[in-house]
Amino acid sequence: EAQVTQNPRYLITVTGKKLTVTCSQNMNHEYMSWYRQDPGLGLRQIYYSMNVEVTDKGDVPEGYKVSRKEKRNFPLILESPSPNQTSLYFCASSLSTNTGELFFGEGSRLTVL
Amino acid sequence: RKEVEQDPGPFNVPEGATVAFNCTYSNSASQSFFWYRQDCRKEPKLLMSVYSSGNEDGRFTAQLNRASQYISLLIRDSKLSDSATYLCVVKGDYKLSFGAGTTVTVRA
Repeated sequence: EAQVTQNPRYLITVTGKKLTVTCSQNMNHEYMSWYRQDPGLGLRQIYYSMNVEVTDKGDVPEGYKVSRKEKRNFPLILESPSPNQTSLYFCASSLSTNTGELFFGEGSRLTVL
Repeated sequence: RKEVEQDPGPFNVPEGATVAFNCTYSNSASQSFFWYRQDCRKEPKLLMSVYSSGNEDGRFTAQLNRASQYISLLIRDSKLSDSATYLCVVKGDYKLSFGAGTTVTVRA
């Protein structure tokens, strides 16, 4: 089954404790992206990757890191989480940047205390 | 100014009613336009693309007005299962910009 898989789905952590949210897709998509969704603000792009070893900042990259060592994986790293990073996070992928169809993971709800 | 703006609603409509809402975008160079649907606490999914000439997909009609920089979505004969948040999405060169969504609730 074609899918984007994120883990963990739910996480409560404390300020400053490094964490990684994994994202994996099995569709051989070139493009992958991370978004955060907050009430009233919609989906805001954190980082995106157009292919292996190619990553770039989105609209709200501060406090996040990513890597794209393999085509299928695009982990999101919070080196020192803070309460303002409490949010719902979505990973998404698409065949290329030319398409408007993004396939989303189920989301990861992160709470930073 | 936000790149994509939507009326958050909620639009509460009875089954069988027609509901329509718009989305405005700020970048006149935007290339492509889409509507996504998001059910409560779930991931967004593509509902339909929006073409310059307007397009229909069953009970859903999408239209684009480039001169006024807005797109619209109309839902005819609303079903309970249409209750969701509808996200307007605008594509630039490499980026998709999402609106905050319009919530529609269809009641029996």
